[in-house]
Amino acid sequence: EPEVTQTPSHQVTQMGQEVILRCVPISNHLYFYWYRQILGQKVEFLVSFYNNEISEKSEIFDDQFSVERPDGSNFTLKIRSTKLEDSAMYFCASSEVRTSGGEQFFGPGTRLTVL
Amino acid sequence: GNSVTQMEGPVTLSEEAFLTINCTYTATGYPSLFWYVQYPGEGLQLLLKATKADDKGSNKGFEATYRKETTSFHLEKGSVQVSDSAVYFCALSGDTNAGKSTFGDGTTLTVKP
Repeated sequence: EPEVTQTPSHQVTQMGQEVILRCVPISNHLYFYWYRQILGQKVEFLVSFYNNEISEKSEIFDDQFSVERPDGSNFTLKIRSTKLEDSAMYFCASSEVRTSGGEQFFGPGTRLTVL
Repeated sequence: GNSVTQMEGPVTLSEEAFLTINCTYTATGYPSLFWYVQYPGEGLQLLLKATKADDKGSNKGFEATYRKETTSFHLEKGSVQVSDSAVYFCALSGDTNAGKSTFGDGTTLTVKP
């Protein structure tokens, strides 16, 4: 069964460093998302991406964040200068369609720890 | 904007007990509703979904019915097992906001033998 994959599974970085989280969505999907879950809290939407541009972004997704689909398979989230409060689990998701009935498939997540 | 409210947890039950986790929502338009499960150390797995009013989603003995009149999507299971111990998230995907999902706070379920 096709699945969304994410690498690395765990990333430890120093405050102020840049990190890139990588995702490989399901191959025929067209819509891509990043979500964040701070430990013990709810899953929060960061950004959605379609046709090589951002469709929507939340207040969390400030200028420190960027997303890119550098080739036909990868979808990346870059945090330019990490802060302690960026420590969280980051989930990538993809869906075939954008309409509300379209199921989003989530990856296993990358746990980011900022020291 | 859209929002999802789940009953406060954690919930602790004995094996074979009946489970209800309440979920209510606020949304414009006609959202789809989902329950996701997150086992310890793992990602989010879709448990079940319903895309229109009165639809019942079901999977692995879990059920939830989309009630538009009460804006609810309560999760139920008749007889829980130890292996059901996990965090359960109610979520909605609206039809007017780029397809993003809005999640509830999550409810931690612990089932004891």
